[in-house]
Amino acid sequence: DAGVIQSPRHEVTEMGQEVTLRCKPISGHNSLFWYRQTMMRGLELLIYFNNNVPIDDSGMPEDRFSAKMPNASFSTLKIQPSEPRDSAVYFCASTTGGGQGTGELFFGEGSRLTVL
Amino acid sequence: AQKVTQAQTEISVVEKEDVTLDCVYETRDTTYYLFWYKQPPSGELVFLIRRNSFDEQNEISGRYSWNFQKSTSSFNFTITASQVVDSAVYFCALRDGGFKTIFGAGTRLFVKA
Repeated sequence: DAGVIQSPRHEVTEMGQEVTLRCKPISGHNSLFWYRQTMMRGLELLIYFNNNVPIDDSGMPEDRFSAKMPNASFSTLKIQPSEPRDSAVYFCASTTGGGQGTGELFFGEGSRLTVL
Repeated sequence: AQKVTQAQTEISVVEKEDVTLDCVYETRDTTYYLFWYKQPPSGELVFLIRRNSFDEQNEISGRYSWNFQKSTSSFNFTITASQVVDSAVYFCALRDGGFKTIFGAGTRLFVKA
């Protein structure tokens, strides 16, 4: 089975530009997570969805960040406008949780974002 | 609020030494799940083990073992006879009774030949 698929793998953009990161979770998984990894802050949970519904977005740093999950097989994380401090590796992860949240997370390979 | 603390930022050992990575967690939930993940230099995050709050049995898998103690809110990870391939960042994570999963800061392990 295919794992979690993220695109793009690498993105270099200039400050002020819009960035869209994409994620396809593992088929059948009903929970999806977006994390950001930096040296300074480690792995931060930005937002997670259950059955396509955002459950907790308290980790989204600012209004410049938004995430959507229009269907069970696709999610986007958008940054508009981007700033140099947004440079990080963004990971998407999915899992099966049912009603009890027992599953481990399956991570994509990450999208490395560099904002100049 | 949930919290995961990995107090060891970096550990350096010589091959064949045993090493223990510490993890202390905080949660108000009675049902929760603990995990360890490995992030090798290539960058991917790899699941190692899951434990639920009702199962305090320790587990051994080859050279890896885990010690879960609710009394001290700890879930420590020991690598026996470390190898160079064990060099990675190791993350401890906590999932509450719902879906939210948070990670500790990670411990970078260097195993020297």
